[in-house]
Amino acid sequence: AQSVSQHNHHVILSEAASLELGCNYSYGGTVNLFWYVQYPGQHLQLLLKYFSGDPLVKGIKGFEAEFIKSKFSFNLRKPSVQWSDTAEYFCAVSPGYSSASKIIFGSGTRLSIRP
Amino acid sequence: GAGVSQSPRYKVAKRGQDVALRCDPISGHVSLFWYQQALGQGPEFLTYFQNEAQLDKSGLPSDRFFAERPEGSVSTLKIQRTQQEDSAVYLCASLGYSNEQFFGPGTRLTVL
Repeated sequence: AQSVSQHNHHVILSEAASLELGCNYSYGGTVNLFWYVQYPGQHLQLLLKYFSGDPLVKGIKGFEAEFIKSKFSFNLRKPSVQWSDTAEYFCAVSPGYSSASKIIFGSGTRLSIRP
Repeated sequence: GAGVSQSPRYKVAKRGQDVALRCDPISGHVSLFWYQQALGQGPEFLTYFQNEAQLDKSGLPSDRFFAERPEGSVSTLKIQRTQQEDSAVYLCASLGYSNEQFFGPGTRLTVL
C-alpha cells in the first residue's frame, strides 16, 4: 500500500532560519508529488507539485522541493522562513497514471516560527 | 471566483444520529473527492466521483458511510448511526484543469 512519511512532527525555528522538512513515500510506480499547507484557521492550499520534468520544483512564497527518485523523497525547503510561515505542512502523493487519483497524505509537520 | 464550499462548517451529533454533509465544488469541475481528517493526522481518502459516477469508494470506513452526487455537481456525504470515532474534519476537494485538487474549508463533526 502507498504511504507517506514525514519525519518531523513539530519544527520550531527562528525567523530567517533555513527550513527543510523531510518526506518519503512508498510507491513503486510513477508518482505525482505535492506539498500542501494549512495556515491557522484556513483550508488546505497547494504549495507546490511535481508531475514530471525538472525534479527541483519551485512553489509559492519562496518554497521549493526536490524529487529524488532513488531515495523516494520529496523534501521541502525554504532558505529563510518568516513568522507568516507558521502553519501545518503536508506532503502527499498520488499515482501518476491518472490525474484524477486519490491523494495519500502524510501525517503533517507543524511549523512554528519564533518572531 | 468562488472556491469549494462546504456546509455546515460545524456539526455536533449525538451518538446514533444520522448526519449529512454537503459539498459544493468549483463550477465545472468534473472530479470530486471526500477526505476524512482526524485530529493530528493528515487527510485520508474516502471516495471519489467523476460527474455523478462514484468511481472509487475504497476509503469509506464502513457501510454507515454513504456518498452521492446525483447531478454531477453538489455532493453529500451521509453518515448513519454516528459513532464517536466518526468525529473528524470532513474535507471535500474538486479537481481543476491543472490537475490540482482544490479543498474546501471542511466540516468539523463532533459526535458526543
